[in-house]
Amino acid sequence: DIQMTQSPSSVSASVGDRVTITCRASQGISSWLSWYQQKPGKAPKLLIYLSSSLQSGVPSRFSGSGSGTDFTLTISSLQPEDFATYFCQQGNIFPLTFGGGTKVEIK
Amino acid sequence: VQLVESGGGLVQPGGSLRLSCAASGFTFSNYWMSWVRQAPGKGLEWVANINQDGSQKHFVDSVKGRFTISRDNAKNSLYLQMNILRAEDTSVYFCARDVSNSGPSDLWGQGTLVTVSS
Repeated sequence: DIQMTQSPSSVSASVGDRVTITCRASQGISSWLSWYQQKPGKAPKLLIYLSSSLQSGVPSRFSGSGSGTDFTLTISSLQPEDFATYFCQQGNIFPLTFGGGTKVEIK
Repeated sequence: VQLVESGGGLVQPGGSLRLSCAASGFTFSNYWMSWVRQAPGKGLEWVANINQDGSQKHFVDSVKGRFTISRDNAKNSLYLQMNILRAEDTSVYFCARDVSNSGPSDLWGQGTLVTVSS
């Protein structure tokens, strides 16, 4: 199975900060990488697919990049509604696998 | 446009449970569908998916031989039959609509809690 490793596991940031989360795959997955946001007690929400494509309705402050094994999710200017947990997921090989998550907390 | 799961509850180890997911607001038969679970306080784990006509299915190794995924396009419904349940299957189970055969999942239900305990 492909292991997805996210870092950091948590980050404390302030409104307006730039936040970068990384996701590393244990083997190359081309651009088959998605990012999700999850708030407590809620279902995940798709933010980014195919590494860098912004899902419809998602604010442009979210962006993704990378290919192969190394990927990043960047929030250019953190907003109050962005405090949540973020997960990456690879879609290259079954079983599909998620990273362990990164919790973005208020500083 | 929504997905609504049902069928969760408390079950003893070794028992069975069938989850359902009712889809509405979109053409259900056009999409791959997935089940994803989340143990309390833990991360997400993809469980299984199924193609549009039910002829292709994929499972995570930990549920192979115990869980079955199926769908009824006439009823706009997705199912997860879970047998020989273990304590480690305790999770919130989400159904999700997939953009393609390997995701991503662009629409999610609210989830249904399955608790396996004696």
